[in-house]
Amino acid sequence: GENVEQHPSTLSVQEGDSAVIKCTYSDSASNYFPWYKQELGKGPQLIIDIRSNVGEKKDQRIAVTLNKTAKHFSLHITETQPEDSAVYFCAPMGGYQKVTFGTGTKLQVIP
Amino acid sequence: EADIYQTPRYLVIGTGKKITLECSQTMGHDKMYWYQQDPGMELHLIHYSYGVNSTEKGDLSSESTVSRIRTEHFPLTLESARPSHTSQYLCASTKTVRTEAFFGQGTRLTVV
Repeated sequence: GENVEQHPSTLSVQEGDSAVIKCTYSDSASNYFPWYKQELGKGPQLIIDIRSNVGEKKDQRIAVTLNKTAKHFSLHITETQPEDSAVYFCAPMGGYQKVTFGTGTKLQVIP
Repeated sequence: EADIYQTPRYLVIGTGKKITLECSQTMGHDKMYWYQQDPGMELHLIHYSYGVNSTEKGDLSSESTVSRIRTEHFPLTLESARPSHTSQYLCASTKTVRTEAFFGQGTRLTVV
């Protein structure tokens, strides 16, 4: 199956700073690259995604960049706010039928 | 708002009891999944289904079983609960394999 790794596993930033989380994957057939945010007591929820024919996508303070050659994609959050504190998961999808999530990154934004 | 529902939200049960965690979705999605997650930790896939009468075991070995008799319903059963089964169980569905996954709120199970 797909091998998915996320780094870092934990990340603390000051409010207003930027945060970057990286996801590496093994399946060269992957062509859909989503990021999910999980708040305490809830299930993960999609926040941004990108498909393989696009290198970068931005939605207000969040962006995703893709490097298909190197098999990694990253989540960028600018001007972080306390409500960005959560666990973030990547879930690259390709040829395999099942959805495999990354190991997760716990982001803490310090006011 | 995702149309996928899990019941119960919280369950405390004694060792040896049989339990069924319910998951239903109204989106008509063929693919459904069960994940086990300890607080703030990885999502471990324990079961998935491509459609009615299709079920597969996931990456993490689990003593639970699942069934998929109807498209909208994907229940998970533990025949004999043990303290090691204490965890959060999350159900999800996708329209196809390369689209957004929708999650339920989860069931937090405690076996005493």
